[in-house]
Parts: sequence; structure tokens; C-alpha cells
Amino acid sequence: DAGVTQSPTHLIKTRGQHVTLRCSPISGHKSVSWYQQVLGQGPQFIFQYYEKEERGRGNFPDRFSARQFPNYSSELNVNALLLGDSALYLCASSSVGYTFGYTFGSGTRLTVV
Amino acid sequence: AQTVTQSQPEMSVQEAETVTLSCTYDTSENNYYLFWYKQPPSRQMILVIRQEAYKQQNATENRFSVNFQKAAKSFSLKISDSQLGDTAMYFCAFRRPVTDKLIFGTGTRLQVFP
Repeated sequence: DAGVTQSPTHLIKTRGQHVTLRCSPISGHKSVSWYQQVLGQGPQFIFQYYEKEERGRGNFPDRFSARQFPNYSSELNVNALLLGDSALYLCASSSVGYTFGYTFGSGTRLTVV
Repeated sequence: AQTVTQSQPEMSVQEAETVTLSCTYDTSENNYYLFWYKQPPSRQMILVIRQEAYKQQNATENRFSVNFQKAAKSFSLKISDSQLGDTAMYFCAFRRPVTDKLIFGTGTRLQVFP
């Protein structure tokens, strides 16, 4: 079985641009969460979606948005990129909305120049 | 608000030896979950071990075990018979039972040397 897949693996964008990151959960997993991991820090929660509905939002500006599709894949969108948005963006999936543990993808490394 | 603190930025251990990584957390909740995740250079976060706060027995997974002290809000990870493949960043994480939000510490970089 494929694990959580994220695309692209690496991305370089210019300040002010928009970016879309994609995540495909493990087959059968209906919950997807997004985390931002700045270099040298632990991951910070951005969003959680379950059954295509937003179930949680972290302390991030409105420039960050996400959605989940009928096949449970998800997109994270960031508008008006800032240098501080440079980070590893991790996606995690789980089988039910409130569950004991997650499976993480290998992340998308976003560099804003 | 819940917080997770890992006070050891870096640790090193010789192969086959035992090492303990520290984690403390702050919460007013009585029921919650605690996790240790490993992040190797491949970047993927891998679940090492998990503990439910209502369980008094410490969790064990092969060479990995925890020392869960609920009153002290402490959750340390012990790695026995360390292997070179254990070299990675280790993150302690907390989750309340009604959310899927994980709160991570800042991590401990573990180096296992021959």
C-alpha cells in the first residue's frame, strides 16, 4: 500500500506569489492534517479536514487555506508568500476524525526567495 | 494552552548503549495522548511510541519504552541497544482526545555513533 504522498517534494517561489501543495492520504483514510515545520523547530498545526469539512485551524493568517476533495486528497494554498513561509510542509492522514495516531508524508520543502 | 518542552537539543550515544530523551508538557486536561515521533533525514515523521494518559502502565515497543509520570507531567523516551539507524530528530507530541491537533516540542537530535 502506498503511504501518504505529497507533491511536489521541493519548490522555490518568489515573494508575493501563490503556491499549492498537494497531499494524497493512505487509501481509506478520511482525515488529513497539515503542519508547517520551520528549520530547527517542531511542526506547527495548520489545518485538519475530515470528510471534506474543516475540523481545526491553527494560528496562521488567512493567506493560508486548504480544502479536501471527494477522494479525500487535499490541497494547501498559500497566497502572497513571505520569506517566513519557507518551511517543510507536512501532511498527515488518519482513518477516522479523532484517532490515536497519524501517518505522515515526507513533506514539501518550500523555499521563498 | 498546552505546551511541550524538550530541553535537550542534542544527544549522542554509542551503539548498543541506552539513551533517554526528556520531555515535559503542560496541560490542565486529565485525559490526553502523548507520542514520540522520529524524523530521519528523509523528513518523514515516523511514530515511535504512544501513551494514553489514563493508562498507568508505561508503553513499550521493542527497544523503545517510555517513563510516563503524569503528576510530574513528564514523558521520557528510553532507547535500549541503540542502533545506527536510530540517528534522527526525535519529537515529543501531545494531543487532546477531542481534536486531531498534535502539539510538538522543539525536538532532540540524537546521534548514534559506532
